[in-house]
Amino acid sequence: GQSLEQPSEVTAVEGAIVQINCTYQTSGFYGLSWYQQHDGGAPTFLSYNALDGLEETGRFSSFLSRSDSYGYLLLQELQMKDSASYFCAVLNTGKLIFGQGTTLQVKP
Amino acid sequence: GAVVSQHPSWVICKSGTSVKIECRSLDFQATTMFWYRQFPKQSLMLMATSNEGSKATYEQGVEKDKFLINHASLTLSTLTVTSAHPEDSSFYICSATRRLAGVWEQYFGPGTRLTVT
Repeated sequence: GQSLEQPSEVTAVEGAIVQINCTYQTSGFYGLSWYQQHDGGAPTFLSYNALDGLEETGRFSSFLSRSDSYGYLLLQELQMKDSASYFCAVLNTGKLIFGQGTTLQVKP
Repeated sequence: GAVVSQHPSWVICKSGTSVKIECRSLDFQATTMFWYRQFPKQSLMLMATSNEGSKATYEQGVEKDKFLINHASLTLSTLTVTSAHPEDSSFYICSATRRLAGVWEQYFGPGTRLTVT
């Protein structure tokens, strides 16, 4: 089977840094993606890691450790607009399988 | 960037009727299209994988006779919810994939909110 685990909720204040962890168990693995979804909207792509290490894109960074089946999304200099749901997703034989999502609430 | 559209963006229908949702890749030819369903406050659940010119591959537990998928061209896939019931009310999202410079990319449509009364 396949499973992805991430925290259900995270709360942080504006300007802070927050890390959202994701652990996965899959029969096949090609990479780990992160998506952001605001209420009522579709998911938007944030990052993709196929190899171990850190990928940085502006305020967002994503990390992957294949040996630990673990990754995280790091959000820096949090802004109110970052309040959304964040999903990790495993790319497995061409299909994206999503975790349950983490609701991030950014407070002033 | 690549654009994927869905039509309609929302639809309300009566129980027992069928509803067709279109997914189009506007500026690229999609190797594969996927259909997801998302209930409120839940994750995206993959329903099926659709390749142009072949039958869709459904995930376990998804009724293929209820959720008909047609992928007539490299830019269009349709999902028809047949004999819809209130429990089919959900947010349906499609995505389209392509390979660009050896990198696999997936783009999501804006979603279709279906309400069955």
